[in-house]
Amino acid sequence: EDQVTQSPEALRLQEGESSSLNCSYTVSGLRGLFWYRQDPGKGPEFLFTLYSAGEEKEKERLKATLTKKESFLHITAPKPEDSATYLCAVQPISSGSARQLTFGSGTQLTVLP
Amino acid sequence: DAMVIQNPRYQVTQFGKPVTLSCSQTLNHNVMYWYQQKSSQAPKLLFHYYDKDFNNEADTPDNFQSRRPNTSFCFLDIRSPGLGDAAMYLCATSRDFRNEQFFGPGTRLTVL
Repeated sequence: EDQVTQSPEALRLQEGESSSLNCSYTVSGLRGLFWYRQDPGKGPEFLFTLYSAGEEKEKERLKATLTKKESFLHITAPKPEDSATYLCAVQPISSGSARQLTFGSGTQLTVLP
Repeated sequence: DAMVIQNPRYQVTQFGKPVTLSCSQTLNHNVMYWYQQKSSQAPKLLFHYYDKDFNNEADTPDNFQSRRPNTSFCFLDIRSPGLGDAAMYLCATSRDFRNEQFFGPGTRLTVL
């Protein structure tokens, strides 16, 4: 069974204080790992897809990296507007409708001004 | 802008009173998904459609049903809501199973 564990569950940072969120996974063959941002009371917003170990993607202050067992979401010089829950999800190498996402429970990030 | 729309954003129902949640998309995606998300938990997939082909997750209660009358619309019917069904219900779409999913804003369901 595919599993995704995110840590820490909650993280409080001062504005400008860089840090990383972790997503550890076990999957029977990884097709893709997805990062989403979710604001309170809203649906998840797609950020990145990573497909292979060593891959990196960046968007503004966020950079996502991938190894064979985990992914990191690095946040450089965060601002209060980066406060949200960040969700990680894995998609297995399977055929057709079996390619469903398994989500982690998320890391709730709070950036204080 | 192409998007996923959910109505209503907030729904209050009584214990046992049927409720229908709506999702529409302008992305022209083939796949539509319904997730249930409870507070501080991961989204849990209930079912999905690839075009008109329906797939029910094994642990989705029989109380939950879905309809997709056309490419753009999908409905979630809860036949007899219980207190444990109070949650955020998220609709998502993707072009194909291989592609990233795009989520709507969700419907917050309260059961009294």
